Amino acid sequence: AQSVTQLGSHVSVSEGALVLLRCNYSSSVPPYLFWYVQYPNQGLQLLLKYTSAATLVKGINGFEAEFKKSETSFHLTKPSAHMSDAAEYFCAVSETGANNLFFGTGTRLTVIP
Amino acid sequence: ETGVTQTPRHLVMGMTNKKSLKCEQHLGHNAMYWYKQSAKKPLELMFVYNFKEQTENNSVPSRFSPECPNSSHLFLHLHTLQPEDSALYLCASSRDRSSYNSPLHFGNGTRLTVT
Repeated sequence: AQSVTQLGSHVSVSEGALVLLRCNYSSSVPPYLFWYVQYPNQGLQLLLKYTSAATLVKGINGFEAEFKKSETSFHLTKPSAHMSDAAEYFCAVSETGANNLFFGTGTRLTVIP
Repeated sequence: ETGVTQTPRHLVMGMTNKKSLKCEQHLGHNAMYWYKQSAKKPLELMFVYNFKEQTENNSVPSRFSPECPNSSHLFLHLHTLQPEDSALYLCASSRDRSSYNSPLHFGNGTRLTVT
């Protein structure tokens, strides 16, 4: 069975500080992994995806994530937080490569000026 | 402009009402989805349509009835809902069913409140 766990429903960082949002997955086969972002009053938008190519994946807005099979993790990072990064971030997994994704419960990122 | 438009943005309905949510995509995609987003819960995939044919129904109660008349339009018909059905309902589309090649494009959602 496939699932994702996002540790920390709420993360606060200062503007300019490192952003680290955690995601651990469970999958019986090599997974496809995704990070989506949801800004207030909007739908979700794809940030980046891992599909068995490079383990370090770069996405939009300066975000990147590293697939670590040994740790079953796919944590999202950004070196320097910007006020506009304040949003909710969702990790998702697909075992089949099909678009019936299983999402985590989300992490709300607050950026403190 | 996301390319996926959902109407209405907000809906308040009583438990005996019948209403419909509408989704339209202008991206030329072939697959469309309904998701339910409730506070502190993972997004729940409700229905999937591919080329107008329903390919998934994730044990959704019959008080939710989807309709996909063509690849650009998706409806969710609601009747005799319960207060616990209050949530944000998100429509999404993708070029095809492969997440590798065609990520999901979401609409801004309909905030549903059942009183």
